[in-house]
Amino acid sequence: EAQVTQNPRYLITVTGKKLTVTCSQNMNHEYMSWYRQDPGLGLRQIYYSMNVEVTDKGDVPEGYKVSRKEKRNFPLILESPSPNQTSLYFCASSLAGGAKNIQYFGAGTRLSVL
Amino acid sequence: GENVEQHPSTLSVQEGDSAVIKCTYSDSASNYFPWYKQELGKRPQLIIDIRSNVGEKKDQRIAVTLNKTAKHFSLHITETQPEDSAVYFCAAPQAGKLIFGQGTELSVKP
Repeated sequence: EAQVTQNPRYLITVTGKKLTVTCSQNMNHEYMSWYRQDPGLGLRQIYYSMNVEVTDKGDVPEGYKVSRKEKRNFPLILESPSPNQTSLYFCASSLAGGAKNIQYFGAGTRLSVL
Repeated sequence: GENVEQHPSTLSVQEGDSAVIKCTYSDSASNYFPWYKQELGKRPQLIIDIRSNVGEKKDQRIAVTLNKTAKHFSLHITETQPEDSAVYFCAAPQAGKLIFGQGTELSVKP
């Protein structure tokens, strides 16, 4: 089954404790991205990757890191989480052309930073 | 940079009525305009999209119209049903980025 898989689905952590949210897709998509969703603000792009070893900042990259060592994986890293990073996070992938193609979203990761 | 404004933020209609959600964008180079539906507790999913070489696209009860001169595009849902209740997002690309509107919470009352 074609899908985008995120883990974990729920995470509660404390300020400053490094964490990684994994994202994997099995559709051989070139483009992958991370979004955060906050009430009233919609979906805001954090980082995106057009292909392996190519990553670029989205609109809200501060406090986040990503890597794209393999085509199928695009982990989101929070080196020192803060309470303002409490949010719902979505990973997405699409064919080459990225932002101009259908985005397939993962199920989401709800993160709480205390 | 690209800015996408979406209105209204909430919309309540009676079952069977039509619903219209409008988005405006700022980057005249944008040429792809998708709409996503997010049901409560679920992930966003594409429901319809339009490219800049056409002015309107329909899929059963859903249609999207595009006015490139005015830089706005709209989602039209006819004969609304309770299962249309969800949050709807428009989006527009800016180079490699995808910029989403703030979302519209549609409520269809039986």
